[in-house]
Amino acid sequence: KQEVTQIPAALSVPEGENLVLNCSFTDSAIYNLQWFRQDPGKGLTSLLLIQSSQREQTSGRLNASLDKSSGRSTLYIAASQPGDSATYLCAVRGNNAGNMLTFGGGTRLMVKP
Amino acid sequence: KAGVTQTPRYLIKTRGQQVTLSCSPISGHRSVSWYQQTPGQGLQFLFEYFSETQRNKGNFPGRFSGRQFSNSRSEMNVSTLELGDSALYLCASSFWQGAMDEKLFFGSGTQLSVL
Repeated sequence: KQEVTQIPAALSVPEGENLVLNCSFTDSAIYNLQWFRQDPGKGLTSLLLIQSSQREQTSGRLNASLDKSSGRSTLYIAASQPGDSATYLCAVRGNNAGNMLTFGGGTRLMVKP
Repeated sequence: KAGVTQTPRYLIKTRGQQVTLSCSPISGHRSVSWYQQTPGQGLQFLFEYFSETQRNKGNFPGRFSGRQFSNSRSEMNVSTLELGDSALYLCASSFWQGAMDEKLFFGSGTQLSVL
């Protein structure tokens, strides 16, 4: 059974810092991995998706990497801003799993002005 | 293009009642999946529908059920509500063409409170 863990559970940083969020998964037979952002009481917004054959994806100040063999992914946020404050979730889709995603517990990020 | 629409946004029910939640996917999307989010258990997969057929099911009791209509709209039903069913219920849709880069798009959710 796939298990996804995110470290740290919460993070508070001053504005302008570069930061790294970690995600690990137990079964390397994944189809892809997605990073999502969730604001309080709201739905999820997809940030980046990395296919199992890829090593990284970039969008603006965000960069996500994937090391499938070691079961790890990282989300790098450059020059953090208060608007980045949210919960960040990673989710893996297994092979032959349709749209069933297994989510980590999330990292709650607070960026202080 | 409209996003995934979930109704109602908030619901308050009492134990023992039943509830029906609705989800309208993005136009053209044929796959609809449902997730439950609670502070203790996080986000957990409930079930997925594709072309009116349940394709995958998570580890939830039979009180949780769903269906999908020919226009891809989906409903989920929870019968005999328990206090532990209080959660944010999220619906997600995709084309489901099997592409590795296919993303899921989530609605804003229905916040269910069981008293």
